[in-house]
Amino acid sequence: DTGVSQDPRHKITKRGQNVTFRCDPISEHNRLYWYRQTLGQGPEFLTYFQNEAQLEKSRLLSDRFSAERPKGSFSTLEIQRTEQGDSAMYLCASSSDPHNEQFFGPGTRLTVL
Amino acid sequence: AQSVTQLGSHVSVSEGALVLLRCNYSSSVPPYLFWYVQYPNQGLQLLLKYTTGATLVKGINGFEAEFKKSETSFHLTKPSAHMSDAAEYFCAVSNQAGTALIFGKGTTLSVSS
Repeated sequence: DTGVSQDPRHKITKRGQNVTFRCDPISEHNRLYWYRQTLGQGPEFLTYFQNEAQLEKSRLLSDRFSAERPKGSFSTLEIQRTEQGDSAMYLCASSSDPHNEQFFGPGTRLTVL
Repeated sequence: AQSVTQLGSHVSVSEGALVLLRCNYSSSVPPYLFWYVQYPNQGLQLLLKYTTGATLVKGINGFEAEFKKSETSFHLTKPSAHMSDAAEYFCAVSNQAGTALIFGKGTTLSVSS
């Protein structure tokens, strides 16, 4: 078991481009979470899944953001028409049941030029 | 709405000294409380958590925290700091097991020899 993995680790893009990030949770973890962390701030919740169902979305998740977990395993987070304000570290976490801790991945650092 | 306030964005201690990182929360329901640590270029790691039961919670690496409902606090302590404790520490709250974590802005701990 290698923990939660995220790909890519770094992404530089130009404003207006679309980007997609992938998260692979720990095997058999049924809950998967996405957070965003900007410099000097704590992580901010974006959305979470139980299996393939998206159960909660933050108001931070504008209509340019979409997340999927089609088979209840890996998840993707897509940002359309990126803006400079989207520059941040995007963190993924997973857990095996509601009472267990959330295990975090290393994050994907997005820079929008 | 839930919120977390971490008093002091930066705490400096000498090696061997007491570590005290402060966290106050706001929650309309009994909270679940967490402390996470983040080392440079690494993901968040859970130090300890409070869900129910004993209010003094022991975690990894010699850290502990006490849930004080009357003070709405969950301060993190360690009797004797090590150089390896230097990192960023985040307090987080959720109102229900398995849902979104609401993080504070973090406290950077520096340890000098």
